Amino acid sequence: EIVLTQSPGTLSLSPGERATLSCRASQSVSSSYLAWYQQKPGQAPRLLIYGASSRATGIPDRFSGSGSGTDFTLTISRLEPEDFAVYYCQQYGSSVTFGPGTKVDIK
Amino acid sequence: EVQLVESGGGLVQPGRSLRLSCAASGFTFDDYAMHWVRQAPGKGLEWVSGISWNSGSIGYADSVKGRFTISRDNAKNSLYLQMNSLRAEDTALYYCAKDIRTGGNSFGAFDIWGQGTMVTVSS
Repeated sequence: EIVLTQSPGTLSLSPGERATLSCRASQSVSSSYLAWYQQKPGQAPRLLIYGASSRATGIPDRFSGSGSGTDFTLTISRLEPEDFAVYYCQQYGSSVTFGPGTKVDIK
Repeated sequence: EVQLVESGGGLVQPGRSLRLSCAASGFTFDDYAMHWVRQAPGKGLEWVSGISWNSGSIGYADSVKGRFTISRDNAKNSLYLQMNSLRAEDTALYYCAKDIRTGGNSFGAFDIWGQGTMVTVSS
């Protein structure tokens, strides 16, 4: 099973700042089959990025994904008030697993 | 409107069974793989099981293998999860999710999610 590790556990930033979230896999993720989700309290997760760098439908371009192999990054270029949430990475190249999440909260 | 609506959750005693359902609408159900994902209270997401468009490929998390069975009825636009031998650690909100890929027998990312149905396993 591919184990995903996300860092940091919590990221405290102000609106307008840049957020950089990391996801590391215990082994290489084939074909960059890596996705990112956003979840707000009381809501279902929302797909942001798939295939490591492709934005899902309707996702603003301040969200971008990069990486390959075992190291992946989600970047939010300028945080909007609605971006404070928990972010999960997921790999679907070998079965399916999720990372433990990174909480982005307001500083 | 694309929609997934889960049902069937509730309070159940350890060792008993429960069957979850997910009704899909607004898209061609039999074109896509489907999944169940759960989230224990205050915890992260855990993939439970997935099934390809034609039921030809099925996968389970190790934590539920041998106890849970996923199935689908394309004529009814419905996904199911039969949960047997339930344990306290199965307590969670169970989400139904649609795969982003069409056809094939491998899984992709999950682009549509329901609101979930709560399962509580307790005596």
